[in-house]
Amino acid sequence: DGGITQSPKYLFRKEGQNVTLSCEQNLNHDAMYWYRQDPGQGLRLIYYSQIVNDFQKGDIAEGYSVSREKKESFPLTVTSAQKNPTAFYLCASSVWKGSSYEQYFGPGTRLTVT
Amino acid sequence: EDKVVQSPLSLVVHEGDTVTLNCSYEVTNFRSLLWYKQEKKAPTFLFMLTSSGIEKKSGRLSSILDKKELFSILNITATQTGDSAVYLCAANKAAGNKLTFGGGTRVLVKP
Repeated sequence: DGGITQSPKYLFRKEGQNVTLSCEQNLNHDAMYWYRQDPGQGLRLIYYSQIVNDFQKGDIAEGYSVSREKKESFPLTVTSAQKNPTAFYLCASSVWKGSSYEQYFGPGTRLTVT
Repeated sequence: EDKVVQSPLSLVVHEGDTVTLNCSYEVTNFRSLLWYKQEKKAPTFLFMLTSSGIEKKSGRLSSILDKKELFSILNITATQTGDSAVYLCAANKAAGNKLTFGGGTRVLVKP
């Protein structure tokens, strides 16, 4: 059963603590992405990785860090430096479809920091 | 700066109506336009469009891209309450395969 899994579904943390969100895919996709979605808004790109051991900052990378040690895994750490960490976090991976990439999403992690 | 704008912001229709959602984009190195449906969870993929004028269809949903005027539309015919969702469009850049998302259109279909 192929897909993208994110855990946990809901996460609660105290302000000042770092927290790591998990993202795993068994689709054999090369590229993976992290987005953040705030209520009533579209998705904003945090980080993306096109191949193992390589990743680039997206539009809102400040306060976040990632690693890509394995093709299947792309964990996101929300650090205490992120000013407004409470949000819905979505992981995605993409596959080439002949003329462009199609991107698919995991179920998301809703992070609440108090 | 890359920009994707969706309109309207939201709309309310009755079952059986037809809706048309708009997505305009200004993206350098444009490669494709993607549509997603989001219902209180992760977005699910609907369409990817790369060529102008070629309509893509899936059941009651269809979409078309105009690369000259830089926009796409998503049509939903004979709407059902299950079509209620936020519809997102995103432009894919050739460099880095990044997606730039619009703010979404919230559709509510009343029985």
